[in-house]
Amino acid sequence: DAGITQSPRYKITETGRQVTLMCHQTWSHSYMFWYRQDLGHGLRLIYYSAAADITDKGEVPDGYVVSRSKTENFPLTLESATRSQTSVYFCASSLDDEQFFGPGTRLTVL
Amino acid sequence: AQKVTQAQTEISVVEKEDVTLDCVYETRDTTYYLFWYKQPPSGELVFLIRRNSFDEQNEISGRYSWNFQKSTSSFNFTITASQVVDSAVYFCALPEDNAGNMLTFGGGTRLMVKP
Repeated sequence: DAGITQSPRYKITETGRQVTLMCHQTWSHSYMFWYRQDLGHGLRLIYYSAAADITDKGEVPDGYVVSRSKTENFPLTLESATRSQTSVYFCASSLDDEQFFGPGTRLTVL
Repeated sequence: AQKVTQAQTEISVVEKEDVTLDCVYETRDTTYYLFWYKQPPSGELVFLIRRNSFDEQNEISGRYSWNFQKSTSSFNFTITASQVVDSAVYFCALPEDNAGNMLTFGGGTRLMVKP
């Protein structure tokens, strides 16, 4: 199906473990983004990518790593998960000036 | 940096009431876009509208309308004759750059419409 997908949709992990959240889009949009959504903070940008092999930090990048070897994929890795990274994570892609969001991944770090 | 403020964190209305969600923004740009997104209880983010700062005319789409006032840096959203299905969190957003490729979101307003 065309669109933007995220996997897993739900994930429970433990402090210190590495976790990778996947994001895949079928439109070949140049820009892709990762946001986290926390109560009281709305959505905050973690990292973004303007094209394959080009990534840059957003507002809250600490503790996260991204890569973009292919235009359609933009995985987000938590190298050593902490409880403060418990959140809902949204991936998005954009064409011109409109962003399209994935369904979100709810991550719980115990 | 851009800034978006949604001062109303939560609003509760009874079905069929009209409700206005406020959005105030700060930007260094002379031309820019503004966005509204809806997040229903199911969690996905649904695009509602994109507005160019050149166009200050009010926009109406069914029961939804938007009032953009550049002089007061506001982009308010009104739902007329609210329905229970309108219950959601609504976000106003402003791009970090002119291309709209990085969005700064307001904190969101949770709207609860009671039957």
